[in-house]
Amino acid sequence: ETGVTQSPTHLIKTRGQQVTLRCSSQSGHNTVSWYQQALGQGPQFIFQYYREEENGRGNFPPRFSGLQFPNYSSELNVNALELDDSALYLCASSLGTGVGSPLHFGNGTRLTVT
Amino acid sequence: EDQVTQSPEALRLQEGESSSLNCSYTVSGLRGLFWYRQDPGKGPEFLFTLYSAGEEKEKERLKATLTKKESFLHITAPKPEDSATYLCAVQPVNTGTASKLTFGTGTRLQVTL
Repeated sequence: ETGVTQSPTHLIKTRGQQVTLRCSSQSGHNTVSWYQQALGQGPQFIFQYYREEENGRGNFPPRFSGLQFPNYSSELNVNALELDDSALYLCASSLGTGVGSPLHFGNGTRLTVT
Repeated sequence: EDQVTQSPEALRLQEGESSSLNCSYTVSGLRGLFWYRQDPGKGPEFLFTLYSAGEEKEKERLKATLTKKESFLHITAPKPEDSATYLCAVQPVNTGTASKLTFGTGTRLQVTL
């Protein structure tokens, strides 16, 4: 069973630039969620994709956007990067959106904005 | 607004010294409470889901319990490999179709020889 994989593992960008982060979900999982984890904090929900549609969004501005592909992999795009966007970005997959299917996380992409 | 508060922020135990981590939560309606373990530089690893007050789950040296306002993660006779940050999260009823979790800031556990 292949777990959740994310790429790249680390990334350094300049304020104002755009970035794309990628995630391959665990085999058999059809739902992908993205979380932002600042240093010393718990993860914060960005949004979730189910069957290629966004089906929930947290308190993040529209410059955070995403996609889910037919093979259930996903991308997170962030435009007009700000210094406060520096964080660990976590992707999690699950089978459906019910509470009985817990989220399985990847090891994240560490984004640094300078 | 849903809130999760974990205490203590950090805990240092000697090997074999049992203790408990606390997770207090405020949520309009609880669909599920989750415990995760996170090692440095890694993503959270799923441990338990609890659904209703009075429920208990066990895994090796860990036991999670749930009341209407709190959850406890009891660690019995910990070993150095139990050192990690333990995260608590809630999934409220009112998230529509999305499985949105609200996390606490975690308890950093260090177990020494």
